[in-house]
Amino acid sequence: AQSVSQHNHHVILSEAASLELGCNYSYGGTVNLFWYVQYPGQHLQLLLKYFSGDPLVKGIKGFEAEFIKSKFSFNLRKPSVQWSDTAEYFCAVHRGATNKLIFGTGTLLAVQP
Amino acid sequence: KAGVTQTPRYLIKTRGQQVTLSCSPISGHRSVSWYQQTPGQGLQFLFEYFSETQRNKGNFPGRFSGRQFSNSRSEMNVSTLELGDSALYLCASSLAELITNTGELFFGEGSRLTVL
Repeated sequence: AQSVSQHNHHVILSEAASLELGCNYSYGGTVNLFWYVQYPGQHLQLLLKYFSGDPLVKGIKGFEAEFIKSKFSFNLRKPSVQWSDTAEYFCAVHRGATNKLIFGTGTLLAVQP
Repeated sequence: KAGVTQTPRYLIKTRGQQVTLSCSPISGHRSVSWYQQTPGQGLQFLFEYFSETQRNKGNFPGRFSGRQFSNSRSEMNVSTLELGDSALYLCASSLAELITNTGELFFGEGSRLTVL
C-alpha cells in the first residue's frame, strides 16, 4: 500500500546532539513534501516544505531536510538540538489536485537538558 | 489575524451517541480539511472541502460525515460513536485551491473527543 513511513517512533537526545529523522514515501511521480512539528499542547506548525528546485531545503529554527528522489526520502536534520525542540515531528506527502496531505505516524523527540 | 478555531476543545460522549465538531478557518481561506489524530497512528485524513464541495474523502466508515458552509466554516459529524473514535480531531485550512500555491495548511488546536 502507498504510504509515508517514519521509522523512528521515539528519539531521545541530549542538548547539542545532532538530529536526523527519517521519512520515506512510496508514491511515484511528482510529490510535494512537508515536515510539521507539534510542540506539547500546541497546534501543528510547518517546519519546512519541498515543492521543486534545490533538494536541500531550510526551514525555521535551524532545521533542514534533503529530498533524495532515488531513495524516496525526505529526512529532517538539525546539527545541534535544544531542549525546546522537544516535540512530535510529522512528515507529510502531497500529491494531486486537492489539498489532502498523507502523514507519517510521527516521531516523538525528547531532548534532555 | 485569528488562526483556525475549533469548537468544542474537549468533549466526552458515550457509545452510541453522535457528535458534531465545528471549524472556523482563517478568514479568506476556502479550503478546509479534517484529520483524526491518535497515538501511534499519526494523522489520518478524513475529508477535504473547497468552496462547499467535498473534493476528497479518507477511508473512514459512513458514520463520519462533514460539510462546508458558504462562509467556509465546516462541521464534521460522527454518528453512533464507538470507543475507537476517541481521538483528537484536527481541522486545517488553506487559502488557495491547491496547497502548492500558498505553501501550507494551517492547523487548529483540535477537538479532543473521548468516548466512554
